[in-house]
Amino acid sequence: EPEVTQTPSHQVTQMGQEVILRCVPISNHLYFYWYRQILGQKVEFLVSFYNNEISEKSEIFDDQFSVERPDGSNFTLKIRSTKLEDSAMYFCASSLYVTGTAQYFGPGTRLLVL
Amino acid sequence: GENVEQHPSTLSVQEGDSAVIKCTYSDSASNYFPWYKQELGKRPQLIIDIRSNVGEKKDQRIAVTLNKTAKHFSLHITETQPEDSAVYFCAASNEDDMRFGAGTRLTVKP
Repeated sequence: EPEVTQTPSHQVTQMGQEVILRCVPISNHLYFYWYRQILGQKVEFLVSFYNNEISEKSEIFDDQFSVERPDGSNFTLKIRSTKLEDSAMYFCASSLYVTGTAQYFGPGTRLLVL
Repeated sequence: GENVEQHPSTLSVQEGDSAVIKCTYSDSASNYFPWYKQELGKRPQLIIDIRSNVGEKKDQRIAVTLNKTAKHFSLHITETQPEDSAVYFCAASNEDDMRFGAGTRLTVKP
């Protein structure tokens, strides 16, 4: 069964550094998402992406965040200047359609900002 | 924007008993309501979902009900087993984003 994959599984970075988190969505899916989960808390929506542009973004997704689909398979989340509070698990998800269809999550990237 | 409330935050049941988790949502335009199970350190896994044109859906020991008028939806797990122990998240989706509840930590005691 196809799955969403993410790399790296863990990333440690210094405050102020840029990080890029990578995701490979399920191949026939058209909609892609990033979520964040701070340890022990709920999953928080960051951004949705369709047809090479952002469809929706939350209040968390400020100017330090950006997303890109650099080729036909990868979907990336860039954090330009990391802050301590960016430490969290970041999940990528994908879905076939936008409305009323299941989103499938990747295994996550655990980001630690020191 | 959408706000999803989930109760209880923790739930402990004896093996074989039923468990019920309830959620409310605020945006009447939300039309898709999935439930995810998350084991420690793992990804959220979709276990069941319901769309706004359906009132109830069942899949073996798991059922979900939706009351659109009251903006409530609930997860019911019958004949619970120790492997059902996990954190369960409800979510509500309208078009491009999906908002999650705070999660319920379910413990099934053998």
